[in-house]
Amino acid sequence: SQQGEEDPQALSIQEGENATMNCSYKTSINNLQWYRQNSGRGLVHLILIRSNEREKHSGRLRVTLDTSKKSSSLLITASRAADTASYFCATAGGGSNYKLTFGKGTLLTVNP
Amino acid sequence: EPEVTQTPSHQVTQMGQEVILRCVPISNHLYFYWYRQILGQKVEFLVSFYNNEISEKSEIFDDQFSVERPDGSNFTLKIRSTKLEDSAMYFCASNGQGPGELFFGEGSRLTVL
Repeated sequence: SQQGEEDPQALSIQEGENATMNCSYKTSINNLQWYRQNSGRGLVHLILIRSNEREKHSGRLRVTLDTSKKSSSLLITASRAADTASYFCATAGGGSNYKLTFGKGTLLTVNP
Repeated sequence: EPEVTQTPSHQVTQMGQEVILRCVPISNHLYFYWYRQILGQKVEFLVSFYNNEISEKSEIFDDQFSVERPDGSNFTLKIRSTKLEDSAMYFCASNGQGPGELFFGEGSRLTVL
């Protein structure tokens, strides 16, 4: 298995609904980050949660971290068509000071 | 807002040719990175660079790859003899501290024929 696995692989919802994406990882971490990528574009940092934090909010984003289960979730509330993108979790740590290990991502489609 | 810029946006090359991908990180950042993303796959770490030397590299970053910061602004990735499997989107990133938020460029798409 790979570090940083998201599920579902794809999620399709209607505008206004909430979207929840999950991420699991294998090794110890210093922090876990979520990134967004529009098709063919670069990655944009959304939120970082440290290993000693359990929940963090940023605008319509809510991230939780459960280090005992080695899992995290990203909730996007009141989704918009512009939220359509791929979302990746990435972990820092596991013996590395510099490397981020990315998951395969969740492709979110928000239908207007 | 400061951003990481990458050139070229797309490069097509023949197998065996040398390629240099260029990046201008955010000016006050100290840590620089290259990642790659093969179409439809995960974003993979290649190398990190701090204080004018490689701080960490992955198994992908073999002798065919090298990085350089030739002046105070540019950060380059060189692939000496490209292979078909080097075809990917290459992302440069930078940040002010090692394990924190990364700022990514828009990527350079490399196609090896």
